[in-house]
Amino acid sequence: NAGVTQTPKFQVLKTGQSMTLQCAQDMNHNSMYWYRQDPGMGLRLIYYSASEGTTDKGEVPNGYNVSRLNKREFSLRLESAAPSQTSVYFCASSEGGQMEFFGPGTRLTVL
Amino acid sequence: AQRVTQPEKLLSVFKGAPVELKCNYSYSGSPELFWYVQYSRQRLQLLLRHISRESIKGFTADLNKGETSFHLKKPFAQEEDSAMYYCALSNSGTYKYIFGTGTRLKVLA
Repeated sequence: NAGVTQTPKFQVLKTGQSMTLQCAQDMNHNSMYWYRQDPGMGLRLIYYSASEGTTDKGEVPNGYNVSRLNKREFSLRLESAAPSQTSVYFCASSEGGQMEFFGPGTRLTVL
Repeated sequence: AQRVTQPEKLLSVFKGAPVELKCNYSYSGSPELFWYVQYSRQRLQLLLRHISRESIKGFTADLNKGETSFHLKKPFAQEEDSAMYYCALSNSGTYKYIFGTGTRLKVLA
């Protein structure tokens, strides 16, 4: 039982490049989330998926897209990376609305 | 506006001293309040939720609706409590969580 896993752990991009952050959970949770963590700003919700087949915008969705591929997987895509997207990205999952399980994070640097 | 405020970026206390991490919120609905902790080089973990009224690792938090606060307390700090602490709220029945900016707790020997 691995919980919530994320790949990659680290990534460096140049401005304008694209990439996809992968997240998977093996707890059969319905809800999954993507957050970014920035110094002095806490965690901010980018997108979430309340259940398989649905996605909704969070607080800071601009510049991102998501795909809920199946119940296990929820990916976050940066189509054209910008330096303002330099951050640590966390995926999380929950059942019953109580967010309890987080991934280890992906540290992204955009040059 | 929905908001969670953690006024202290850094809180330093000596081992054995009491700890209180402050959290205030503004929300018009019926929020559920949580505390999360992130130890160095580890992932974020749920520490407490107000509806369970539990004590985890000696920490407690009471929801004060009159003062709109959910302060985290521990009577005797330990060095292993050093971590980043986040207060968060969600509206009951929704999936959107709002986090505070976090307080770094340093427990000094």
